[in-house]
Amino acid sequence: DAGVTQSPTHLIKTRGQQVTLRCSPKSGHDTVSWYQQALGQGPQFIFQYYEEEERQRGNFPDRFSGHQFPNYSSELNVNALLLGDSALYLCASSAGTSGLYNEQFFGPGTRLTVL
Amino acid sequence: GDSVTQMEGPVTLSEEAFLTINCTYTATGYPSLFWYVQYPGEGLQLLLKATKADDKGSNKGFEATYRKETTSFHLEKGSVQVSDSAVYFCALRYTGNQFYFGTGTSLTVIP
Repeated sequence: DAGVTQSPTHLIKTRGQQVTLRCSPKSGHDTVSWYQQALGQGPQFIFQYYEEEERQRGNFPDRFSGHQFPNYSSELNVNALLLGDSALYLCASSAGTSGLYNEQFFGPGTRLTVL
Repeated sequence: GDSVTQMEGPVTLSEEAFLTINCTYTATGYPSLFWYVQYPGEGLQLLLKATKADDKGSNKGFEATYRKETTSFHLEKGSVQVSDSAVYFCALRYTGNQFYFGTGTSLTVIP
């Protein structure tokens, strides 16, 4: 089992550009959550996808959007990039959207640098 | 709102020293509490968890007890090793999957 995989590993963009990050969940998982981790900070919840729909959303602007595919993989899109979007973007997968015992598994992240 | 406050780092300890990383939380309900560890260049890994008051989570020699009266979930280990060097995150979660993380505490263990 490859666990949660993310691509690319690193990405450099300039202000105003758009970026797409990709995530493949752990085998058997159907729910994907995305987090932004700024340097020296804890991860901040962006949103969660289940059954190809956004189910929960954190305090992030509409420039952040996502998609989930029928095979449960997911994309995070960020439009009109700002310098402050530079961060490590983490994807986490789990089986189902709720329940105290379903563990979330995190991927290694994509490091986005906005110049 | 819901939040987690962790002890500021970085923390530097000698091998075999005792470790405590403090974590307190603010929550409107009764969340589950977690400690995650992040090794350099890697994603977060679940270290231990507790789902209700007075539960003790433990793993790899680390322990933490869910203290509702003090709203705390301090991480402890009796004898740290060089391989424990990492960043440790305290987090809370309700029945949905949204986590609230602390800012992380960097631990360096020197031989």
